[in-house]
Amino acid sequence: GQQVMQIPQYQHVQEGEDFTTYCNSSTTLSNIQWYKQRPGGHPVFLIQLVKSGEVKKQKRLTFQFGEAKKNSSLHITATQTTDVGTYFCAGGGKLIFGQGTELSVKP
Amino acid sequence: DAGVTQSPTHLIKTRGQQVTLRCSPKSGHDTVSWYQQALGQGPQFIFQYYEEEERQRGNFPDRFSGHQFPNYSSELNVNALLLGDSALYLCASSFGLEGSYEQYFGPGTRLTVT
Repeated sequence: GQQVMQIPQYQHVQEGEDFTTYCNSSTTLSNIQWYKQRPGGHPVFLIQLVKSGEVKKQKRLTFQFGEAKKNSSLHITATQTTDVGTYFCAGGGKLIFGQGTELSVKP
Repeated sequence: DAGVTQSPTHLIKTRGQQVTLRCSPKSGHDTVSWYQQALGQGPQFIFQYYEEEERQRGNFPDRFSGHQFPNYSSELNVNALLLGDSALYLCASSFGLEGSYEQYFGPGTRLTVT
């Protein structure tokens, strides 16, 4: 069946450093969504990418969808302590989630 | 405008028992999906309900069943509970059947099976 993999599993950064998480699917995706889950919270929708090669920005966050629509990335510039949480990518009709990348930020 | 609500917040059950979890979708949404999230893992899709019918199902046994009511609220039932069913159960609502719509998640129900 379809699988969505994310790397790295954990990322510890100093406040102000950049952060990137990568998402790879075993099959072509019609779209990909990104969610953030704060510790003890529930996933919150960040963005959806639909087009091949699409790039979207939300303030310090940059999202990319690969040309083959099988991979995606989320890049955070100059991390802040408020960025702490687990970032998930999800794709496919059944919204298959990756395992997530847990980001911790040291002030 | 109320978001997605779930009840109960926490639940402790004994192995072999049955449990029912409830979800009310965000106002204006007609599709409800259920996910199981084990500690340290991403949410795993259980099934999706639209127009009171199960439309898609993930890789979960028949012990997991659900229902959607005319007001779009939904229930998740799990029979013959196993220790491995301990997890956070998330309900997510969206509009329409297409997987391209963002999912609004509820706070979840933490189920512990002893």
